[in-house]
Amino acid sequence: DTAVSQTPKYLVTQMGNDKSIKCEQNLGHDTMYWYKQDSKKFLKIMFSYNNKELIINETVPNRFSPKSPDKAHLNLHINSLELGDSAVYFCASSQLDRVGEKLFFGSGTQLSVL
Amino acid sequence: AQSVTQLGSHVSVSEGALVLLRCNYSSSVPPYLFWYVQYPNQGLQLLLKYTSAATLVKGINGFEAEFKKSETSFHLTKPSAHMSDAAEYFCAVSEFRAAGNKLTFGGGTRVLVKP
Repeated sequence: DTAVSQTPKYLVTQMGNDKSIKCEQNLGHDTMYWYKQDSKKFLKIMFSYNNKELIINETVPNRFSPKSPDKAHLNLHINSLELGDSAVYFCASSQLDRVGEKLFFGSGTQLSVL
Repeated sequence: AQSVTQLGSHVSVSEGALVLLRCNYSSSVPPYLFWYVQYPNQGLQLLLKYTSAATLVKGINGFEAEFKKSETSFHLTKPSAHMSDAAEYFCAVSEFRAAGNKLTFGGGTRVLVKP
């Protein structure tokens, strides 16, 4: 019944590995996002997709590759993980790609790169 | 580019006391402003939003915020703090560009509620 669900909740891995985080929303929303929250709680948008189409790519290293197989899913694949990638990653969705829209957030994936 | 500044990374209040969280924004166009709350180990939830209607916006859990264009502020208040209000609060501004809608967050303010 969770509106926006992410898996896994925790991810611990070694530098250089490749990992994926999955996100699914059951709200019927058209737009999905990935946000990164660093250790100081600062939140920054990484990507947004609208109906499976990439809309925003906020100068994220190309080691990060989002994939949207359908509008209910937006997965995040990260290649060659680095220490600086350690953060909490939040998936979110909104009904429309429109200013003023409310975002629904998942509970986050805490990524620790050792 | 739009930006948001939250004054004070931590605020400590006594239960029953006023909660005041400060937010100032910078925007070249009329802004859409939001307050989100993050409880421990959870995602963000919308408390309230301003979308150019009434300048005083009421949200969930007894919170409200007032948009003041002259001060470029959108401070969040609650008359009487409850223990359950302990959380991280984020102010945000929404910007719509040709490349899509973007939410820019402030640095967050952690609220501690003392019994």
